[in-house]
Amino acid sequence: KAGVTQTPRYLIKTRGQQVTLSCSPISGHRSVSWYQQTPGQGLQFLFEYFSETQRNKGNFPGRFSGRQFSNSRSEMNVSTLELGDSALYLCASSPEGNTIYFGEGSWLTVV
Amino acid sequence: AQSVTQPDIHITVSEGASLELRCNYSYGATPYLFWYVQSPGQGLQLLLKYFSGDTLVQGIKGFEAEFKRSQSSFNLRKPSVHWSDAAEYFCAVGGGFNKLSFGAGTTVTVRA
Repeated sequence: KAGVTQTPRYLIKTRGQQVTLSCSPISGHRSVSWYQQTPGQGLQFLFEYFSETQRNKGNFPGRFSGRQFSNSRSEMNVSTLELGDSALYLCASSPEGNTIYFGEGSWLTVV
Repeated sequence: AQSVTQPDIHITVSEGASLELRCNYSYGATPYLFWYVQSPGQGLQLLLKYFSGDTLVQGIKGFEAEFKRSQSSFNLRKPSVHWSDAAEYFCAVGGGFNKLSFGAGTTVTVRA
């Protein structure tokens, strides 16, 4: 069974631009969540989707948004990028109420 | 609110020696507890989890962890460390809707 797949793995963006990251969950997993990892703040929860509905959201500004499609694939978008948005963005999937599996992450550098 | 504390930022251990990583959590109800490992430039790999039942749980790569409710702890152990165990280890507590709160992580260095 394929794991959680995230694309792109690495990207560089300029301040003020926007970025979209994609995540394909493990087959059969309907819950997808997103996390930001930075050296200063560690791992922080962004949001979680289940059956195309956002069920939970972390403490991030509205520039961070996401969505989930009917096939459970998910995207997250960050608009008006700031230098501080440089981070590893991790997607995770889970069958409901069970173990959470992470992808390899998307490395975003904002210059 | 849920939170996790990993008191040790960095641990150095000799190959073949035992390893124990500490984790203390704060959570209002029965917690879901996890240990993940992250190698440089990689995502998080699940080592083990505790949902309920036996308080000593076995994981992959020879790791085990013990849930102690009275101490709000979920410490990770390995009897004999291999050089490939050098990595960063994260303890996490799970709340509703698959939201995990992570500790700051413990970096493990293995010396020959």
